Amino acid sequence: GIQVEQSPPDLILQEGANSTLRCNFSDSVNNLQWFHQNPWGQLINLFYIPSGTKQNGRLSATTVATERYSLLYISSSQTTDSGVYFCAVASGGGADGLTFGKGTHLIIQP
Amino acid sequence: DAGVIQSPRHEVTEMGQEVTLRCKPISGHNSLFWYRQTMMRGLELLIYFNNNVPIDDSGMPEDRFSAKMPNASFSTLKIQPSEPRDSAVYFCASSWGGGSTDTQYFGPGTRLTVL
Repeated sequence: GIQVEQSPPDLILQEGANSTLRCNFSDSVNNLQWFHQNPWGQLINLFYIPSGTKQNGRLSATTVATERYSLLYISSSQTTDSGVYFCAVASGGGADGLTFGKGTHLIIQP
Repeated sequence: DAGVIQSPRHEVTEMGQEVTLRCKPISGHNSLFWYRQTMMRGLELLIYFNNNVPIDDSGMPEDRFSAKMPNASFSTLKIQPSEPRDSAVYFCASSWGGGSTDTQYFGPGTRLTVL
């Protein structure tokens, strides 16, 4: 099956800093999503981005499908950005189950 | 609109007991997914349905696990008999399942503890 690797595994930053999280995948995909799992365990969908670039406030994401990677950018970090960020992909046709990476654990210190 | 609804939110049971987890997908979505999250294995797909029909159950760990979707607004995941290694957070997700956008939306999860 498809493999998903995320880096870095852990990241500690000061409030206000910028960060870039990376997701590499081993095969072509028709679905790629970025999630934020908050300290209460809830999985919040950030972006659906199998290709191209999207922005939502301080967050943006870019997926280069031909090179099989995606990047999540967080600017002007806030303590509420802390948590685990997951990249998940699917390569089947139509609706298909997601394969998750191991996540990047982000800690934003005040 | 209500998101994906799961119940119960927490379940504590003893080894050997039957456990039933419930999920109500977002209205209008026709694909439903069950995932499990553990420290050791991370987030993994168990089974998914499209138009109430199971499409891929290769992630179901053992015959002790079964899932049903009797209608478009309800699904269950059953473990019988439960074992301590089944302790995990179980997530249900749904998506529209067609077209160019297949965003999956996750429920709050059920935290299962098997003693």
